[in-house]
Amino acid sequence: DIVMTQSPLSLPVTPGEPASISCRSSQSLLHSDGYNYVGWYLHKPGQSPQLLIYLASNRASGVPARFSGSGSGTDFTLKISRVEPEDVGVYYCMQALQSPNTFGPGTKVDVK
Amino acid sequence: EVQVVESGGGLVQPGGSLRLSCAASGFTFSNHWMTWVRQAPGKGLEWVANINPDGSGKSYVDSVRGRFSISRDNAKNSLYLQMSSLRAEDAAVYYCAASLVTAAYDSWGQGTLVTVSS
Repeated sequence: DIVMTQSPLSLPVTPGEPASISCRSSQSLLHSDGYNYVGWYLHKPGQSPQLLIYLASNRASGVPARFSGSGSGTDFTLKISRVEPEDVGVYYCMQALQSPNTFGPGTKVDVK
Repeated sequence: EVQVVESGGGLVQPGGSLRLSCAASGFTFSNHWMTWVRQAPGKGLEWVANINPDGSGKSYVDSVRGRFSISRDNAKNSLYLQMSSLRAEDAAVYYCAASLVTAAYDSWGQGTLVTVSS
């Protein structure tokens, strides 16, 4: 199975400041179609998880432009250009290249 | 509006069985992959199983293979998870999610709680 790791696991943030989360996979997530099969999800307290980014760098419908994804192969990054108070929660990367799909351990983002 | 709604959770004894359902609406259900994801208390998200659009392809995480069975009824726009030989470690909130974009799950239900206890 593909193992996903994330860093940091805890990220205190200041509203208005940028934030960045790293995700690494144990195998390349580059599909033969040229896309990296990794997504980013946010799980807010008391809510269902929501998709933020798919195929490494595509923002999902309705996701604010302050969220961006980058990376290729085994190293990926989620960036928030300016953190808003409503961005707190646990962020997960997930690979969908192989079954079983696997999530990273999660990065808990909270306000300083 | 795209919507998925889970049902069927509850309290079950270790070794027991439970069937979760997920009703989908607002999209052409028969065209899309579907998945079950769970979150145990205090833990992160865990992918459980997925199924391809026509139901001919199914995958499971190792910890549930042979005990859980994912299925779908495209005529009823419904997804199912038949769970048997349940263990304490299967206790979790189970989410149904649809893949309307490539290689990601972008429509999630509210979750249904499964408690395994005697």
